[in-house]
Amino acid sequence: GDSVTQMEGPVTLSEEAFLTINCTYTATGYPSLFWYVQYPGEGLQLLLKATKADDKGSNKGFEATYRKETTSFHLEKGSVQVSDSAVYFCALSDKLSGGGADGLTFGKGTHLIIQP
Amino acid sequence: DSGVTQTPKHLITATGQRVTLRCSPRSGDLSVYWYQQSLDQGLQFLIQYYNGEERAKGNILERFSAQQFPDLHSELNLSSLELGDSALYFCASSAERGVGETQYFGPGTRLLVL
Repeated sequence: GDSVTQMEGPVTLSEEAFLTINCTYTATGYPSLFWYVQYPGEGLQLLLKATKADDKGSNKGFEATYRKETTSFHLEKGSVQVSDSAVYFCALSDKLSGGGADGLTFGKGTHLIIQP
Repeated sequence: DSGVTQTPKHLITATGQRVTLRCSPRSGDLSVYWYQQSLDQGLQFLIQYYNGEERAKGNILERFSAQQFPDLHSELNLSSLELGDSALYFCASSAERGVGETQYFGPGTRLLVL
């Protein structure tokens, strides 16, 4: 079945550092890929998405490129801030999984801590 | 604020009991999804409804069931509760169905089974 693998962390960086969170996936069909962020005590918020190969999703300084050849969707940001501290989830939705379900398959989440 | 509301925010109950979690999707959204988040299993898709009809099931136990009403709100019913059912339950909604649709998540219901 479909799966998503991401580094779990915690990942600790200093403010203004460069961020990369790796995400690789296994999917049966042609998935759409997502990054969600969860702040303490809150639900998940969509950070960015890409629906086909070579698409780049971007939002709030974060970006990720859908790489079909390496089955990856790594999240990057050039200069992180303390306010970026949260848990980041990579996810996919694949038409051929789950009997046609549109439900998301999530990675285990990466806890990011940014120190001032 | 995603526009998705969930009640209650917290729920404490005993083993063997039954509870109902409620979700109101964003205005106009036709698809509702339920997810379970636990420390050992992570985030798992449970079930999806689209415009009142069940569309697909994920890792949902037989003790769990859901429905979507004509006004599009949804309820997740959990019965014969076990300690391992303690988790955070999220509802999400999207305008339509489809793999590329953005799902908007509610704040969750934290269930503690004692």
